[in-house]
Amino acid sequence: AQTVTQSQPEMSVQEAETVTLSCTYDTSESDYYLFWYKQPPSRQMILVIRQEAYKQQNATENRFSVNFQKAAKSFSLKISDSQLGDAAMYFCAYRVGYDKIIFGKGTRLHILP
Amino acid sequence: EAQVTQNPRYLITVTGKKLTVTCSQNMNHEYMSWYRQDPGLGLRQIYYSMNVEVTDKGDVPEGYKVSRKEKRNFPLILESPSPNQTSLYFCASSRPPIGESYEQYFGPGTRLTVT
Repeated sequence: AQTVTQSQPEMSVQEAETVTLSCTYDTSESDYYLFWYKQPPSRQMILVIRQEAYKQQNATENRFSVNFQKAAKSFSLKISDSQLGDAAMYFCAYRVGYDKIIFGKGTRLHILP
Repeated sequence: EAQVTQNPRYLITVTGKKLTVTCSQNMNHEYMSWYRQDPGLGLRQIYYSMNVEVTDKGDVPEGYKVSRKEKRNFPLILESPSPNQTSLYFCASSRPPIGESYEQYFGPGTRLTVT
């Protein structure tokens, strides 16, 4: 069965520091997509970054980057220069083809001023 | 503005009273999906639809129904709601999984309480 595991239910980081959120997944597929979503207190789901499994290069979006290790089935999110507005719940998600999409249980990130 | 809308945003109802949560998208997306979010469980897929008149079960379909008569709309129906369906519900849509990546666009969420 396909699963997505976020092993850190909660994390804290000092403002301006760097933090890494972990995500591992289990799949037998070779072609799939991975996403990180952010959910602030407003509850809106916001796409942070995405990675296509067929691409070797790690995706980057401004202060957000991923470390995609396909063989290890790992997809961690690094947030550099953490800001107060980064405080939110972060969800890792996996999708293959037209099949259902699977989310992890989330990591709540606190930013300490 | 490209968006997914859901109505109502908040709903308190009683056990057994049928309700419908509407979802509409203006991006001409083929794929639409419903999720529920519960503390400690993340988002779990209820139903999804690959196109008009094509729907399939997700991980937690029991107690829910959906229909896809038009491309833009994907209502979620609770025929006989029960307290264990108290949750935060999200509708989402996306392009087909062809070529470049296809993230989902989410609605604002519907907070449902069943007493």
